[in-house]
Amino acid sequence: DAGVIQSPRHEVTEMGQEVTLRCKPISGHNSLFWYRQTMMRGLELLIYFNNNVPIDDSGMPEDRFSAKMPNASFSTLKIQPSEPRDSAVYFCASSFGTGQRNTEAFFGQGTRLTVV
Amino acid sequence: GNSVTQMEGPVTLSEEAFLTINCTYTATGYPSLFWYVQYPGEGLQLLLKATKADDKGSNKGFEATYRKETTSFHLEKGSVQVSDSAVYFCAPANSGYALNFGKGTSLLVTP
Repeated sequence: DAGVIQSPRHEVTEMGQEVTLRCKPISGHNSLFWYRQTMMRGLELLIYFNNNVPIDDSGMPEDRFSAKMPNASFSTLKIQPSEPRDSAVYFCASSFGTGQRNTEAFFGQGTRLTVV
Repeated sequence: GNSVTQMEGPVTLSEEAFLTINCTYTATGYPSLFWYVQYPGEGLQLLLKATKADDKGSNKGFEATYRKETTSFHLEKGSVQVSDSAVYFCAPANSGYALNFGKGTSLLVTP
């Protein structure tokens, strides 16, 4: 398997523009996570899907952020409108969880977002 | 929810020095415990894990023991290398919940 695939790797956009980040999880995994990493706040969980259903979105900063998972092999994180303070590295991760245990999470390479 | 306390660093060591990165956690029930490592410009990857009390996880010369009585999972390595320079994250995980990470501990190993 190619691992978790994120696109684009880098994104530079102007304030106010819409940004869409994409993620393809590892085939067979049923859990997907979006994280944001900054120097100030470290690695923050934004949202967690299980079997394509959002389970915990309490980390989503505000209404400008939205995430979807239309099927088991694809997820998007959208920011509209974007602001400079959204500049960060956004990671997608996937894992396989049962009722008893979560296996390790596998991370993508991340998308470095710069909003100017 | 789960949370961890670990030093942020940066921790700077000379090559071949002994490494300890402390991690204490709070969690409900009996979580699995993970150490992840992030090399520059990359995503996180699992370094080692332990799934029950007194288990020892080990990988690449790193070790950590699940201590339920002290709610700790300290990471150790007997002799660090320059290639170990990275950010290390400790995380407890309960079934059905996502891993919560903090800022991690930055390690710099100098020749």
